[in-house]
Amino acid sequence: DAGVIQSPRHEVTEMGQEVTLRCKPISGHNSLFWYRQTMMRGLELLIYFNNNVPIDDSGMPEDRFSAKMPNASFSTLKIQPSEPRDSAVYFCASSLAEHTDTQYFGPGTRLTVL
Amino acid sequence: SQQGEEDPQALSIQEGENATMNCSYKTSINNLQWYRQNSGRGLVHLILIRSNEREKHSGRLRVTLDTSKKSSSLLITASRAADTASYFCATEALSNTGKLIFGQGTTLQVKP
Repeated sequence: DAGVIQSPRHEVTEMGQEVTLRCKPISGHNSLFWYRQTMMRGLELLIYFNNNVPIDDSGMPEDRFSAKMPNASFSTLKIQPSEPRDSAVYFCASSLAEHTDTQYFGPGTRLTVL
Repeated sequence: SQQGEEDPQALSIQEGENATMNCSYKTSINNLQWYRQNSGRGLVHLILIRSNEREKHSGRLRVTLDTSKKSSSLLITASRAADTASYFCATEALSNTGKLIFGQGTTLQVKP
């Protein structure tokens, strides 16, 4: 199995630009999670989907962030417009079941907003 | 504040020694999980312990859970240089199934 795939691995952009991060979960997994990791705040859950439906988006920082899961094999996290404080590593993870289950993490996308 | 708080923040030991990391949390949980993160990589699941379990083993890993104290510990025995990484506990609260809250992590350095 290829594991969770994220792209791009690195993204450098200027403030105000739109950024789209992509994730392909492990085939057959029903839940998908987006996290953000920074030195200051650690690992934060932004949003998670179960069977392609957003279940909890309470961690999404503000309206500039949006996430979609159009089908079971693809999800995007979009930031528009981006700001320097959005600089972080963004992880996607997937799991077989919605809860009480192992989460499998992708390698992350390191985002730098100048 | 975050559900899981870990202690110590950093730990440095010699190869062959045991490493113990602790995690405390605030609310009732369904389960507690430990993850490892190597520098520049994603997190890797190590072990899951359910709220009705007190101890679990996996290879050189031993995890304990004390729900009365709302705490857990991860013991790595006979450490190796390859165990150098950050270790995170994550809890799934009773009231919020599906959502894992991660601690700030313990950075472990194992010197050869």
